[in-house]
Amino acid sequence: AQSVTQPDIHITVSEGASLELRCNYSYGATPYLFWYVQSPGQGLQLLLKYFSGDTLVQGIKGFEAEFKRSQSSFNLRKPSVHWSDAAEYFCAVGAQTGGSYIPTFGRGTSLIVHP
Amino acid sequence: NAGVTQTPKFQVLKTGQSMTLQCAQDMNHNSMYWYRQDPGMGLRLIYYSASEGTTDKGEVPNGYNVSRLNKREFSLRLESAAPSQTSVYFCASSELDSSYEQYFGPGTRLTVT
Repeated sequence: AQSVTQPDIHITVSEGASLELRCNYSYGATPYLFWYVQSPGQGLQLLLKYFSGDTLVQGIKGFEAEFKRSQSSFNLRKPSVHWSDAAEYFCAVGAQTGGSYIPTFGRGTSLIVHP
Repeated sequence: NAGVTQTPKFQVLKTGQSMTLQCAQDMNHNSMYWYRQDPGMGLRLIYYSASEGTTDKGEVPNGYNVSRLNKREFSLRLESAAPSQTSVYFCASSELDSSYEQYFGPGTRLTVT
């Protein structure tokens, strides 16, 4: 079965600083990997996804993530954080099971942005 | 397009009461999901429906039932609510194409006293 670990429960950065959120996964085959963002009181929104090909993927809101098979990681990065980026971030790994796609989510990392 | 809608947004129940959470999507997706979100636990899958007419258990199905009423609608029922079911519930939908992206509703915040 697949699993996802987000080692950091909280991350605090200053506005304008760079950001890296860590995600490690466990899955036997080539995984489908995702990062979602959740603003307070909202549902989740997809930031970016990786299926195959180029290991550096670009997403919305200036985010990018790099798939590293050797490290089983899919870390999320942003070169300059804005105050509006404060939110909860979830990494997910998915597998197709029969006729459905079943993702497993990490426990989330809460991003706090200081002015 | 409204995307994924959920009703109600908030609900307070007493222990032992029953209720149904409603979810509808207008994107013609085949797959639909119910999750619960608890602090520090991320999202845990309760039930999913790969297509109209099928439902399957997820990670935490105990105490819940689901109905895939048609392609658009997927409801979650609590027959006898317990305080341990206090949570935020999210419905999501997706399609088995190259995207695999899940689209989430705004959530239902349920408190069981």
